[in-house]
Amino acid sequence: GAGVSQSPRYKVAKRGQDVALRCDPISGHVSLFWYQQALGQGPEFLTYFQNEAQLDKSGLPSDRFFAERPEGSVSTLKIQRTQQEDSAVYLCASSTTGTSTHEQYFGPGTRLTVT
Amino acid sequence: AQSVAQPEDQVNVAEGNPLTVKCTYSVSGNPYLFWYVQYPNRGLQFLLKYITGDNLVKGSYGFEAEFNKSQTSFHLKKPSALVSDSALYFCAPLRAGGYNKLIFGAGTRLAVHP
Repeated sequence: GAGVSQSPRYKVAKRGQDVALRCDPISGHVSLFWYQQALGQGPEFLTYFQNEAQLDKSGLPSDRFFAERPEGSVSTLKIQRTQQEDSAVYLCASSTTGTSTHEQYFGPGTRLTVT
Repeated sequence: AQSVAQPEDQVNVAEGNPLTVKCTYSVSGNPYLFWYVQYPNRGLQFLLKYITGDNLVKGSYGFEAEFNKSQTSFHLKKPSALVSDSALYFCAPLRAGGYNKLIFGAGTRLAVHP
């Protein structure tokens, strides 16, 4: 079946531009996560949704980062006024339920390069 | 603070030999523990998890992991390595009762040589 998809796969932005990254989770998955993976590092948690509710946004690095999941399915991560330190791969993951025993299924990521 | 440590940046193994990728964690409460693998230009793929019960957990592609509570370790193992196992491996604990955040370290690169 279809896995988690993300678009675009690659994005180049000039410093100061706004970007929007899309995540299509596995159909019916309740939980959705965003992670940021810098070059040579492991993923770092950004934010968590259970259906349309954003229950944890403690990992968002600044108020330039904003995420939404208005209908409890597709999610968008928006970064305003991009900076060079925002360059990373942004990973989306979804999970069957809100129960922590279930594994997360990851998308291929969006590689953001800020020039 | 919750953390995970994978002490080896890279593990080199000859094809057919057993492999171990080490992981230790520091998480409050009873942890749920996961292993993921990342191939180039692809997302992370789930390998296996420990939630409760038997300390030896079997997962995908012949991998297994042993949970050791006293040593706070969750090492990944495979009896016979394949060249196709070469990838980046992440151990990721998740604190039970939290908002399902996975805690990742920098990972261990496994290189299996023919």
